[in-house]
Amino acid sequence: GDSVTQMEGPVTLSEEAFLTINCTYTATGYPSLFWYVQYPGEGLQLLLKATKADDKGSNKGFEATYRKETTSFHLEKGSVQVSDSAVYFCALRPNTGNQFYFGTGTSLTVIP
Amino acid sequence: DAGVIQSPRHEVTEMGQEVTLRCKPISGHNSLFWYRQTMMRGLELLIYFNNNVPIDDSGMPEDRFSAKMPNASFSTLKIQPSEPRDSAVYFCASSLGSYIYEQYFGPGTRLTVT
Repeated sequence: GDSVTQMEGPVTLSEEAFLTINCTYTATGYPSLFWYVQYPGEGLQLLLKATKADDKGSNKGFEATYRKETTSFHLEKGSVQVSDSAVYFCALRPNTGNQFYFGTGTSLTVIP
Repeated sequence: DAGVIQSPRHEVTEMGQEVTLRCKPISGHNSLFWYRQTMMRGLELLIYFNNNVPIDDSGMPEDRFSAKMPNASFSTLKIQPSEPRDSAVYFCASSLGSYIYEQYFGPGTRLTVT
């Protein structure tokens, strides 16, 4: 079945470090892929998305490229800030049906 | 634009009591999802509706949980009787029907059952 596997955390980085959070997926067909962010005490918010192969989603300095050949959608940011501390979820929506599949979340802490 | 609205934001109740959580999806969205989030189990899908019809309730933990969507602008999640292990944050989310669209999450209801 459809699923998402993401890098386990927690991840701790110093401010201005480079961030990568790995996400791979299993799906039939051509799903859409998403990254969500959850700040403490809040709901999940969409960070970026890509709806077809080779698309790059980007927002707030974060990027992820939909790689069908490696079934991956890794999240990257060149220089993290303390305010990026949050939990990040990779998600998949198959191109049929209305279900969403979420990864287990990766907690990121950025220290000054 | 108003996002997904959930009420109450916090609920504290005693074991055995009935709890009703409410959700108003974004106007025009035709899919609605209920999730539960705990430290131990992460984010779990409980049930989702498409055009007000329950499509998949396999995530509902047991018969104590029930969900309804009487119209396109309102849904409830009821727990009766509540137990301490039901303590969690419950999120409602909505989306448009096509796979290219994301889910929009509400702020959540933090439920504590003592």
